[in-house]
Amino acid sequence: GESVGLHLPTLSVQEGDNSIINCAYSNSASDYFIWYKQESGKGPQFIIDIRSNMDKRQGQRVTVLLNKTVKHLSLQIAATQPGDSAVYFCAENRHDYKLSFGAGTTVTVRA
Amino acid sequence: DAGVIQSPRHEVTEMGQEVTLRCKPISGHNSLFWYRQTMMRGLELLIYFNNNVPIDDSGMPEDRFSAKMPNASFSTLKIQPSEPRDSAVYFCASSSSSYGYTFGSGTRLTVV
Repeated sequence: GESVGLHLPTLSVQEGDNSIINCAYSNSASDYFIWYKQESGKGPQFIIDIRSNMDKRQGQRVTVLLNKTVKHLSLQIAATQPGDSAVYFCAENRHDYKLSFGAGTTVTVRA
Repeated sequence: DAGVIQSPRHEVTEMGQEVTLRCKPISGHNSLFWYRQTMMRGLELLIYFNNNVPIDDSGMPEDRFSAKMPNASFSTLKIQPSEPRDSAVYFCASSSSSYGYTFGSGTRLTVV
């Protein structure tokens, strides 16, 4: 079936470096995408979103890129900090209420 | 804004017992979702309410699971009887639109 997935299950990054987390989606009808961050023992927390009529959106230290041609989504975190260590999920919305979540990428920041 | 509030944070129960999980959505949000998270299956949508009415319960595993939303500020997810395979983290989320949810902190359920 159609699903949202992540290219890599884990990512280790040096503190201060930039992080890039990738996500592939299969439903070309999806029109809205979200990145969530989940820290240990907590619920997923909204980071940034992007609609399908955009290819880039920037937030504070984060940038989301959307490539509809290859159905690829990425999250870039600038100057990664220890507090960025978490599991990151991409999610897609397919014109309705239902968000479909990817498996998640575990990001570990090395001091 | 207190966010989405779930209780209890942790629940340990014996197989066969009834378990009730509670959720208070963000005031003004008209959509409420119950998710289950496990290592094997990730985040699974169990049920979706809109304006207190269940719209989609296709994700509810079986008849042992039931959910109610008697008013706009409260929802419950009940498992009766509980089984060890129900052990998971259960999240409630609410939304004011079709785009994006706010999640609660979850209830970690352990059935022994």
